[in-house]
Amino acid sequence: NAGVTQTPKFRILKIGQSMTLQCTQDMNHNYMYWYRQDPGMGLKLIYYSVGAGITDKGEVPNGYNVSRSTTEDFPLRLELAAPSQTSVYFCASSLQGPNQPQHFGDGTRLSIL
Amino acid sequence: AQSVTQPDIHITVSEGASLELRCNYSYGATPYLFWYVQSPGQGLQLLLKYFSGDTLVQGIKGFEAEFKRSQSSFNLRKPSVHWSDAAEYFCAVGWQAGTALIFGKGTTLSVSS
Repeated sequence: NAGVTQTPKFRILKIGQSMTLQCTQDMNHNYMYWYRQDPGMGLKLIYYSVGAGITDKGEVPNGYNVSRSTTEDFPLRLELAAPSQTSVYFCASSLQGPNQPQHFGDGTRLSIL
Repeated sequence: AQSVTQPDIHITVSEGASLELRCNYSYGATPYLFWYVQSPGQGLQLLLKYFSGDTLVQGIKGFEAEFKRSQSSFNLRKPSVHWSDAAEYFCAVGWQAGTALIFGKGTTLSVSS
């Protein structure tokens, strides 16, 4: 059972470039989440999805976009990368909402130079 | 507004000594409570969770936590720390009316020999 798989693990982008962080889960979870983790700041929610075709903004959505065309996949797109988006990005999933544990991927470490 | 506070940014404990990591939350409704651990370069792993019932919950790796409604706290404890417990620990809280967890900023645990 793979759980939550994130690709790539590391990436360096130039300012203004765009890229998509991939996330897939094989647990048939309805809820999926994207967080960013910055040193000393904990995890901040970027976007979440409660099911295929349904997404909503979290605490820090500016500069990002998401889609959820299938239950398994929840890609995060960065348009016009900026140095402030240098961070570690985590994807997570849960069977339902806040009363269920979240399962995390291993993260994508992204640097914008 | 809902919030989660981990008052200790960094704690150092001698190997074999006991450990307590603090977590406080704000908001009046009954919460769903979680503790996660993150080793360097890894995603977050669930240690334990509390939904209802017995306020003392047992988790993996010998950890336990106690929910105290009167103090709005969910402190994590371990009677005897091992060097492998050195990691970052996150408290997370969810509420029935919400859709995502709120994470504290984390406590880094160092273990000295």
